[in-house]
Amino acid sequence: AQTVTQSQPEMSVQEAETVTLSCTYDTSESDYYLFWYKQPPSRQMILVIRQEAYKQQNATENRFSVNFQKAAKSFSLKISDSQLGDAAMYFCAYRDTNDYKLSFGAGTTVTVRA
Amino acid sequence: GAGVSQSPRYKVAKRGQDVALRCDPISGHVSLFWYQQALGQGPEFLTYFQNEAQLDKSGLPSDRFFAERPEGSVSTLKIQRTQQEDSAVYLCASSSQIYPNYGYTFGSGTRLTVV
Repeated sequence: AQTVTQSQPEMSVQEAETVTLSCTYDTSESDYYLFWYKQPPSRQMILVIRQEAYKQQNATENRFSVNFQKAAKSFSLKISDSQLGDAAMYFCAYRDTNDYKLSFGAGTTVTVRA
Repeated sequence: GAGVSQSPRYKVAKRGQDVALRCDPISGHVSLFWYQQALGQGPEFLTYFQNEAQLDKSGLPSDRFFAERPEGSVSTLKIQRTQQEDSAVYLCASSSQIYPNYGYTFGSGTRLTVV
């Protein structure tokens, strides 16, 4: 099974500032998908951004962007211009191209200070 | 429906009781997943259905856990003789694809507390 590691249990950011969440993963596969999910107190996991491993270009979705370093097996999430609504738990997840299961990291709790 | 619906939202069970958790996936979604999320942790895979067929139950922690999806739509996760270690949030997710390139749509989960 693949291992996804999020080494930051908690991160705090001032409103309008930028925060970066780290994620590393372990795999022997060359083709796979990586995801960042947001889980607010409502508990529903919401897809924030995804990256296909065969694409070198880093994915961007509005204020959210990733830094995908395939050789280093690193997939960090940058939240720019942080808003109060960004406060949540964020999970990094991995899926093999030929598998249907997602493997999740332990999560990072993001707090946004007004 | 518009999203994945799970019920009940909260469930308190006495140790040894049986519980049944329901998941209504998005209409027409062929893939349905159950995950278990312990407090402060990431979700862990339990089981996978493709239509009514349970293709993978490798993540079920014991034979006290049983899942079904008899008509390929609604799914039920049943836990028999609940134990304190079963306390967790149980998340259901569905996808229109077998290999969901865009991830899944998750429900809001059922928080099970065993006392």
